[in-house]
Amino acid sequence: AQSVTQLDSHVSVSEGTPVLLRCNYSSSYSPSLFWYVQHPNKGLQLLLKYTSAATLVKGINGFEAEFKKSETSFHLTKPSAHMSDAAEYFCVVPHNTDKLIFGTGTRLQVFP
Amino acid sequence: KAGVTQTPRYLIKTRGQQVTLSCSPISGHRSVSWYQQTPGQGLQFLFEYFSETQRNKGNFPGRFSGRQFSNSRSEMNVSTLELGDSALYLCASSPRLTSGAQWEQFFGPGTRLTVL
Repeated sequence: AQSVTQLDSHVSVSEGTPVLLRCNYSSSYSPSLFWYVQHPNKGLQLLLKYTSAATLVKGINGFEAEFKKSETSFHLTKPSAHMSDAAEYFCVVPHNTDKLIFGTGTRLQVFP
Repeated sequence: KAGVTQTPRYLIKTRGQQVTLSCSPISGHRSVSWYQQTPGQGLQFLFEYFSETQRNKGNFPGRFSGRQFSNSRSEMNVSTLELGDSALYLCASSPRLTSGAQWEQFFGPGTRLTVL
């Protein structure tokens, strides 16, 4: 069965510094993987998705993620954090019956 | 295009009551999924409907049910409410016509249910 593990429940960065949110996946085959973001009192928004094309995936708002099969990882990065990036981020793997399996989430705080 | 809308946004009920939540998908989307979000269990899949038929179901008791109408709008119902049902209930729609992970799901803002 597919699953994802988000390695950090909280990450704090200063504005203008890089962001790294870590995600490892478990799957018997090369899965699709997504990152979603949830701002307070708002629904989830898709940041980016990997579907076995290019291993480096670029998303919205300057975020990108790299699929590394050898490390079973799909870490989310951004070169320079902005205050508006403060939110909760979810690494997601679709189950083979199409339902989404969510990680436990990483809360990103950005300090001025 | 308007996004996914959910009504009501907030709801307070007491134990033993039942509740119905509504979701209107993005125009043209025929797949609607429901998720429950709690601090303890995180985001969990409830069920998915496509063309008025339930296609997938998560591991929730039978008190949780849903349906989809011919216009793709969906409702979920929770009967005999328990304190543990307090959660944010999220609806997502997708243009997905066939099974496959390539279809993006678009989420609504959620309905926050509080059970007292």
